[in-house]
Amino acid sequence: DTAVSQTPKYLVTQMGNDKSIKCEQNLGHDTMYWYKQDSKKFLKIMFSYNNKELIINETVPNRFSPKSPDKAHLNLHINSLELGDSAVYFCASSQDLAGGSTGELFFGEGSRLTVL
Amino acid sequence: AQSVSQHNHHVILSEAASLELGCNYSYGGTVNLFWYVQYPGQHLQLLLKYFSGDPLVKGIKGFEAEFIKSKFSFNLRKPSVQWSDTAEYFCAVTMSNTGKLIFGQGTTLQVKP
Repeated sequence: DTAVSQTPKYLVTQMGNDKSIKCEQNLGHDTMYWYKQDSKKFLKIMFSYNNKELIINETVPNRFSPKSPDKAHLNLHINSLELGDSAVYFCASSQDLAGGSTGELFFGEGSRLTVL
Repeated sequence: AQSVSQHNHHVILSEAASLELGCNYSYGGTVNLFWYVQYPGQHLQLLLKYFSGDPLVKGIKGFEAEFIKSKFSFNLRKPSVQWSDTAEYFCAVTMSNTGKLIFGQGTTLQVKP
């Protein structure tokens, strides 16, 4: 069983479109995250939710909107896609908030978004 | 600003060579430290972590790292690398007042058979 699963794994779309990436974790964790990995492999946190509540919202364009219907799911919706949004998006979860004693993150396999 | 820096961006070694990848962070408070590995086409996996106690921690696949608080460093080592160690290596730090895991820029390790 995959602990943190993301769909789709690959997404190719045109500029201006709206798309969503879904994430589910079956680890019973309270906290979930979205990270963006750019073409230089740099990983940057975008959002973090704890028990469905947004706790970290980095400087991300408001075209990006996370939604957490329950603590096992964290979806990422992107409006009006731009070329610069092309990246690999990783979902992750942790039992506790990162920084806590159980703050180890478990990552999904990533969703590669290509905007043409 | 709080940050994590990895000194080596691209390392090429022959099999059986020893490896040391540098990692430094900028934060004066309590930290938890991690090394993650990303094999080609795969997700990030935890290699090892340090929360407290013995500053020399051992991880999977023969990797170890040493936390030197005075130097704000957490360098990764392996005495003898294998071709299968070819991957991206990321140092990451959680700083107690932020609740988020901050990554370094990553190091690409290429091991030649």
